[in-house]
Amino acid sequence: EPEVTQTPSHQVTQMGQEVILRCVPISNHLYFYWYRQILGQKVEFLVSFYNNEISEKSEIFDDQFSVERPDGSNFTLKIRSTKLEDSAMYFCASSDQSGGETQYFGPGTRLLVL
Amino acid sequence: GNSVTQMEGPVTLSEEAFLTINCTYTATGYPSLFWYVQYPGEGLQLLLKATKADDKGSNKGFEATYRKETTSFHLEKGSVQVSDSAVYFCARMDSSYKLIFGSGTRLLVRP
Repeated sequence: EPEVTQTPSHQVTQMGQEVILRCVPISNHLYFYWYRQILGQKVEFLVSFYNNEISEKSEIFDDQFSVERPDGSNFTLKIRSTKLEDSAMYFCASSDQSGGETQYFGPGTRLLVL
Repeated sequence: GNSVTQMEGPVTLSEEAFLTINCTYTATGYPSLFWYVQYPGEGLQLLLKATKADDKGSNKGFEATYRKETTSFHLEKGSVQVSDSAVYFCARMDSSYKLIFGSGTRLLVRP
C-alpha cells in the first residue's frame, strides 16, 4: 500500500540554524500539507500546497518557514533560523483531491532545537 | 468559532471493556469528520471517517456516527484490546480543506 515517507525521523539542531524536513507524498496525490505537534499538544495545521504554490498558511507559518516541491516527488519544509519553540513533531500529509478527501500522514520528523 | 472538542484523557479500561470517546465540533455547514490514531512512537493513521450527516464510519471494530443534531462524532468500540492503547484524535475538515484536530485522548487498555 502506498504511503507517505519522511526523512529524517529525528533531527537535533542548534537555535538559529536552518533545517530542511523532507517528505515524499503518495505518488498520484496533488495536495500536500505540513502539520506540527508540539509535545503533548494538539496537531496544528501549518501550510497547504497545490499546483506548485501555497494554498493556505496558518499564522504559525511566518517568514522563517518555506515549502518547496523541488522535483516530482519531494515536498520540503524549510525553517530558516530555528527557535526553541520550533521543537515539535512535524507531519507531512497528502491527498489526491480536495473537498473532504482523506489526508494520509507520514510518520513524522521529530525536531529538537537546543 | 470553528473547533473540535474531545473528552480529556487518559481513559483507562480493562481489556474487553466498552469504549466511548466523545467528540463534538463547531462549524458552519457539514464538514467531513475523521478519527486518527497515533500509536506510541508512530505517526497519525486514519482510523475512520464520515463525509455526511448520518454516515457511520467503521474500521477495526471502531465505529463513529456523524450526528448533525448534536454536532458529534463519538468513537466507540464494543471490546477493546491492549493493542488499542494509543492516542485518538478527532478532526474535521474546514472550508479550505485543512484538518482541524481535537486535543487528543489517550487510551490505556490494561490486560
